[in-house]
Amino acid sequence: KAGVTQTPRYLIKTRGQQVTLSCSPISGHRSVSWYQQTPGQGLQFLFEYFSETQRNKGNFPGRFSGRQFSNSRSEMNVSTLELGDSALYLCASRRDRPTDTQYFGPGTRLTVL
Amino acid sequence: AQTVTQSQPEMSVQEAETVTLSCTYDTSESDYYLFWYKQPPSRQMILVIRQEAYKQQNATENRFSVNFQKAAKSFSLKISDSQLGDAAMYFCAYKAAGAQKLVFGQGTRLTINP
Repeated sequence: KAGVTQTPRYLIKTRGQQVTLSCSPISGHRSVSWYQQTPGQGLQFLFEYFSETQRNKGNFPGRFSGRQFSNSRSEMNVSTLELGDSALYLCASRRDRPTDTQYFGPGTRLTVL
Repeated sequence: AQTVTQSQPEMSVQEAETVTLSCTYDTSESDYYLFWYKQPPSRQMILVIRQEAYKQQNATENRFSVNFQKAAKSFSLKISDSQLGDAAMYFCAYKAAGAQKLVFGQGTRLTINP
């Protein structure tokens, strides 16, 4: 079974631009979560989607948004990029139950210049 | 709010030796899950081992085992017969039952010396 895939793997943007990252979960997984990883703040939860609905959101500004499609694929969008948004963005998927383990993708490295 | 603390930013061990990584957590929940994830330089976060809080028996996966002390809120990872491929960042993570998000520690960088 194929793992979680994320595209693109690397991205360079300038301040003020917006960016969209994509995540395809493991087949059969309906929940997709997003995390931001930075050297200073570590791994922080952004949001989680299940059946096209956002069920939980972390403490991030409204510039960070996401959505999930009927095939469970998810996208996250960051508008008006700031230098501090430079990070590794990780996507994780799991099946239905909260007890299920989350499996991570390889991440998208975003650099904001 | 739940917190996870990994007090060892870096650890090193000789190949074939045993190493233990420490993790403590703080929660008022009684039902939760604990995980160790490994992140090698390739950045892919890989699940190493998982422990359900309601299980008293410590989880084991081949060379990896945990020492789960619920009363002390401690969850350490023991790696036996360390191999060069074990070199990575190791993250301890907590998830409350019924919650969606993982709460991570700051990570421990493990170096394996040949």
